[in-house]
Amino acid sequence: SQTIHQWPATLVQPVGSPLSLECTVEGTSNPNLYWYRQAAGRGLQLLFYSVGIGQISSEVPQNLSASRPQDRQFILSSKKLLLSDSGFYLCAWSVGSLDGYTFGSGTRLTVV
Amino acid sequence: GESVGLHLPTLSVQEGDNSIINCAYSNSASDYFIWYKQESGKGPQFIIDIRSNMDKRQGQRVTVLLNKTVKHLSLQIAATQPGDSAVYFCADRNTGNQFYFGTGTSLTVIP
Repeated sequence: SQTIHQWPATLVQPVGSPLSLECTVEGTSNPNLYWYRQAAGRGLQLLFYSVGIGQISSEVPQNLSASRPQDRQFILSSKKLLLSDSGFYLCAWSVGSLDGYTFGSGTRLTVV
Repeated sequence: GESVGLHLPTLSVQEGDNSIINCAYSNSASDYFIWYKQESGKGPQFIIDIRSNMDKRQGQRVTVLLNKTVKHLSLQIAATQPGDSAVYFCADRNTGNQFYFGTGTSLTVIP
């Protein structure tokens, strides 16, 4: 069966520090991968999506970047975190465009 | 980007009553809709979906209704239980094959 792993579950980082969040999917090949951010009291904002290795599309300009070094690995990064980067980050995957997304358990990032 | 808005940010219901959560979407070209349930501190989980060629779909204790004329989606939960307390999101898929999520409705079940 397919599973999605996301870590860490919580993270507290100082302003200006780098960030690396990792997401991996098991049990499927060539998934579409997504990074979402959820601010308190708000919906899910799509940050990045990838349809294949090395292919990254950005939905909104921001202080973050994404990479897909392997088929089932998706990484969210920042060189210098801002206070406004705090939030709940969710990774998701789908196969093709016919079905919905399966979400990971999320990472709660607090920038202090 | 797309906006998928919800009519009510919070909803409280008595245990055993039926719950109705509403959602409005803006893109008339959206062809696929999903309801997700998100419990505190967890990622959203798929509840039920519906495609634009249908107007009703039923699952276990849940029913989704789609009214394409007014671009409205609803989730009905029968005999609401304490475990149903969560935030519920609707999402629609647009012509770019991306899903857009609304703000969410927080459902609280009162014992």
